[in-house]
Amino acid sequence: AQTVTQSQPEMSVQEAETVTLSCTYDTSESNYYLFWYKQPPSRQMILVIRQEAYKQQNATENRFSVNFQKAAKSFSLKISDSQLGDTAMYFCAFSAYSGAGSYQLTFGKGTKLSVIP
Amino acid sequence: DGGITQSPKYLFRKEGQNVTLSCEQNLNHDAMYWYRQDPGQGLRLIYYSQIVNDFQKGDIAEGYSVSREKKESFPLTVTSAQKNPTAFYLCASSMGQGPQGEQYFGPGTRLTVT
Repeated sequence: AQTVTQSQPEMSVQEAETVTLSCTYDTSESNYYLFWYKQPPSRQMILVIRQEAYKQQNATENRFSVNFQKAAKSFSLKISDSQLGDTAMYFCAFSAYSGAGSYQLTFGKGTKLSVIP
Repeated sequence: DGGITQSPKYLFRKEGQNVTLSCEQNLNHDAMYWYRQDPGQGLRLIYYSQIVNDFQKGDIAEGYSVSREKKESFPLTVTSAQKNPTAFYLCASSMGQGPQGEQYFGPGTRLTVT
């Protein structure tokens, strides 16, 4: 079974500063995907960024980037130039084959990020 | 606009009553999912369906039931057997099988049972 661990329940960052959210996972699979989802106060889940395990290059999406360390099973999210709209819960998620022909997302418990003006 | 709709946004029920949460998508996605979210617990998978007329239990299926009669619809029934039904419920869909299948989420339904 896959597990995803987010060790920081809450974090805060000053507006315009940079913050890094941590995520580690455990799996025996070699082919998988990793995701970061954002859940703002509206509670709508929004995909922030994805990483394919077979790609060594770290994914980037504007101010969001990841540091993917496959051997260490680590997948951290860096938010640059933090904005007030980045205030949200952030969930790390893992997708791989889960048996019976299906693939499922396994989520971490989330990190609550507050951006301070 | 394509997307996933869940209704209602807030739902109140008395203990012992069954209640059905609606989830509809017009993204032409094959797979649909139901998650439960509790404070400090992240998202936990209740049921999922990869194709019409077929569905599988997730990690916390006890006390819940689903149907998938149409590709667009995947309603979730919270039965009286669910011991702690008060929670936030999220429906999601994806294009199909494969780990690259990004899941798209609905806005959620907050269920309160008293």
